[in-house]
Amino acid sequence: DAGVTQSPTHLIKTRGQQVTLRCSPKSGHDTVSWYQQALGQGPQFIFQYYEEEERQRGNFPDRFSGHQFPNYSSELNVNALLLGDSALYLCASSSTGVGETQYFGPGTRLLVL
Amino acid sequence: LAKTTQPISMDSYEGQEVNITCSHNNIATNDYITWYQQFPSQGPRFIIQGYKTKVTNEVASLFIPADRKSSTLSLPRVSLSDTAVYYCLVGDSPISGTYKYIFGTGTRLKVLA
Repeated sequence: DAGVTQSPTHLIKTRGQQVTLRCSPKSGHDTVSWYQQALGQGPQFIFQYYEEEERQRGNFPDRFSGHQFPNYSSELNVNALLLGDSALYLCASSSTGVGETQYFGPGTRLLVL
Repeated sequence: LAKTTQPISMDSYEGQEVNITCSHNNIATNDYITWYQQFPSQGPRFIIQGYKTKVTNEVASLFIPADRKSSTLSLPRVSLSDTAVYYCLVGDSPISGTYKYIFGTGTRLKVLA
């Protein structure tokens, strides 16, 4: 049973560019959440997708957008990259229901130069 | 949303039992308590989840008092490989209408030989 997978594992971009990160949820899961983790900090919630709609959003600007596909996989898009966007981006999947345990992928390390 | 407070760091020796306590004074009726382990540059790994009293699995136990304002993760007989950051989260169930996890700074556990 494959767990949550993310691609790419590492990425280097320059300021002002745009980036797309991808996530495939754990088998049987229908909900995908995205988190940003800066070095030495805990993960910060970006948003969550369920039934192809953004269900909840954290305190992130509109430069951060996402999408969920019919097969439950998801993309995170970041426009107009800033140096401060350098971080580990984590995807977590869960199955809608009471408790909603989230299982995390290995993350994508983004470096903005 | 309930916020969690944990000790910033802890040291222990191999073979000892480690107890990490988390405070969540504003926990809501429908909130579950979840603990994750994270190694550097990896996604958080689910350890255990509970709602009340005691939960035990093959790697840890979770103790939750009746008022649910705190919880204690117990790791029996730790080894060097248990050196990691441990996060206590309060996750909202769909009943409450919100779905995001709030990560704190976590507890950095260092296991010494």
